[in-house]
Amino acid sequence: QSALTQPASVSGSPGQSITISCTGTSSDVGGYNYVSWYQQHPGKAPKLLIHDVSNRPSGVSNRFSGSKSGNTASLTISGLQAEDEADYYCSSYASSARYVFGTGTTVTVL
Amino acid sequence: EVQLLDSGGGLVQPGGSLRLSCAASGFTFSSFAMSWVRQAPGKGLEWVSSITDSGGRTYYPDSARGRFIISRDNSKNTLYLQMNSLRADDTAVYYCAMDPGGYSHRYWGEGTLVSVSS
Repeated sequence: QSALTQPASVSGSPGQSITISCTGTSSDVGGYNYVSWYQQHPGKAPKLLIHDVSNRPSGVSNRFSGSKSGNTASLTISGLQAEDEADYYCSSYASSARYVFGTGTTVTVL
Repeated sequence: EVQLLDSGGGLVQPGGSLRLSCAASGFTFSSFAMSWVRQAPGKGLEWVSSITDSGGRTYYPDSARGRFIISRDNSKNTLYLQMNSLRADDTAVYYCAMDPGGYSHRYWGEGTLVSVSS
């Protein structure tokens, strides 16, 4: 099972919106509504931001939103803040491996 | 408050074994599936194993199947990962995670570092 494809880096200025893509196949992202997104600050454990494509767990800011079209899922961060500077990973259920993670995206706040 | 405390990591020689533990508190441990996820130094996240709430079913990717064994003791609120035939590319921080339903990892431990080197 290959990792899902994410851009290596995305940047934006404070207050702007950015979108991170996550591309898979019909055997993972495209085939199931089980895409999750995680935020990871350096040296820290990952934090769940989005589950089941577009659902936020309690306590997660509504500046984070998720969507999916075909084999590509997306995470949008609106009103970008300095604290959003981190690594972001998508994950999906995969028929061949149960879970597959994305390659990861580093978000830089300019 | 949900807490997951990973432990058991350390330095081990290639071919050796190690058992990781994850002590859970703050939720009904026996009601939730659990997983292990690892992260090699400077690399991305990789799913290692999952187990159902009762422990009746386990899941592994090809990289772990046959070498790693996930288990749980619901009476002790503890998750385990027995790792055998360790290789240099198993070097990573290993996180335990609670799976609330569906296919996501809601809560994570702080991780325990496993280093495989001679």
